[in-house]
Amino acid sequence: DAKTTQPPSMDCAEGRAANLPCNHSTISGNEYVYWYRQIHSQGPQYIIHGLKNNETNEMASLIITEDRKSSTLILPHATLRDTAVYYCIVRDPADRGSTLGRLYFGRGTQLTVWP
Amino acid sequence: KAGVTQTPRYLIKTRGQQVTLSCSPISGHRSVSWYQQTPGQGLQFLFEYFSETQRNKGNFPGRFSGRQFSNSRSEMNVSTLELGDSALYLCASSLLGANNQPQHFGDGTRLSIL
Repeated sequence: DAKTTQPPSMDCAEGRAANLPCNHSTISGNEYVYWYRQIHSQGPQYIIHGLKNNETNEMASLIITEDRKSSTLILPHATLRDTAVYYCIVRDPADRGSTLGRLYFGRGTQLTVWP
Repeated sequence: KAGVTQTPRYLIKTRGQQVTLSCSPISGHRSVSWYQQTPGQGLQFLFEYFSETQRNKGNFPGRFSGRQFSNSRSEMNVSTLELGDSALYLCASSLLGANNQPQHFGDGTRLSIL
């Protein structure tokens, strides 16, 4: 089952930063936070992941609170092509057979970027 | 570097038939996972393969099966198709399948059952 809570929808003006929140209050010490997005009719696209520290790559930044109970995905300059459903997922890194390969997707946040 | 490739992209079948879907992972990736996506249930995990062995399986009936070849390519098969099997079937690959390694998805096969 999904261990995260996200708002069902958000919107953002083109060129502005999009800040997508995610609540994962039951996260365990070794669970990673992953973000994916899915544009209609395409497969989910990996964006970024992190454990404790904030992370940044060419697509986005991930800010994880100190208590790790929530995180925010930041798209610094949103474009129309960033309109998609964004999924926040927590994942146990322990090499246990019961969780290998399995991602639990919730309903995600529909981000709409408007001109 | 080529991404995950799934074939075919679209497929139409009738009830009772069977179908085989194919997935070629990113070069060097050894873990392949399969997911089913429907409007009602969202994305649900089917199974995961590594080194030709199924390591994990979701809550789907035995009509859903899969396999992985020595070159890491994978196929999934659905027998005795039902209307409810209409869905987007997604394949994802990762380096070793460890939970701190991201999975990368293909664009899926859209299966329609008439």
